[in-house]
Amino acid sequence: GAGVSQSPSNKVTEKGKDVELRCDPISGHTALYWYRQSLGQGLEFLIYFQGNSAPDKSGLPSDRFSAERTGGSVSTLTIQRTQQEDSAVYLCASSIRETQYFGPGTRLLVL
Amino acid sequence: QKEVEQNSGPLSVPEGAIASLNCTYSDRGSQSFFWYRQYSGKSPELIMFIYSNGDKEDGRFTAQLNKASQYVSLLIRDSQPSDSATYLCAVEAGGGNKLTFGTGTQLKVEL
Repeated sequence: GAGVSQSPSNKVTEKGKDVELRCDPISGHTALYWYRQSLGQGLEFLIYFQGNSAPDKSGLPSDRFSAERTGGSVSTLTIQRTQQEDSAVYLCASSIRETQYFGPGTRLLVL
Repeated sequence: QKEVEQNSGPLSVPEGAIASLNCTYSDRGSQSFFWYRQYSGKSPELIMFIYSNGDKEDGRFTAQLNKASQYVSLLIRDSQPSDSATYLCAVEAGGGNKLTFGTGTQLKVEL
């Protein structure tokens, strides 16, 4: 596709449920990033993929968060046993060099 | 001390004026510097990047970098109401193209 796509665009879930967020990067982009943005806050780095491997997972806030990337393309961010503080916009970005291009984000609301 | 600092604003400028947005960073090893614009409810979009000390111009936008002072700025000439948005400064350091973002400066261009 022409840009980074993410799905779903919005997700409302109940506390304790698991959620999966999907990111389709720009074709040919080898690097993929996940960020989280809480209301009125800056972007918080979560995890970075180069190909299918994740050399930097330092931003994952707890072991309830995990991510994988397959085929050097699509990535899934999974949040287990969601908590209300997980409510945020989850942004995915991809790059081929230094410049990162962002998708539209998934707005997650945990009730 | 935050790694990337920006004044949250809002910064109000009249239409046609020059808007000056500032950012300081703490990691002297930082190599690449980015300015993103984020409209309310939207994802960040890249405006400019700069790697070398000095000025870099692109249309109405000029990025300025001073590595000795650990300072990067964005000037917007002939500001338009459509420039009203939050401007995010991002710094790449430590390899892996991981970006550290400031919390953003809200710019309001008034008629």
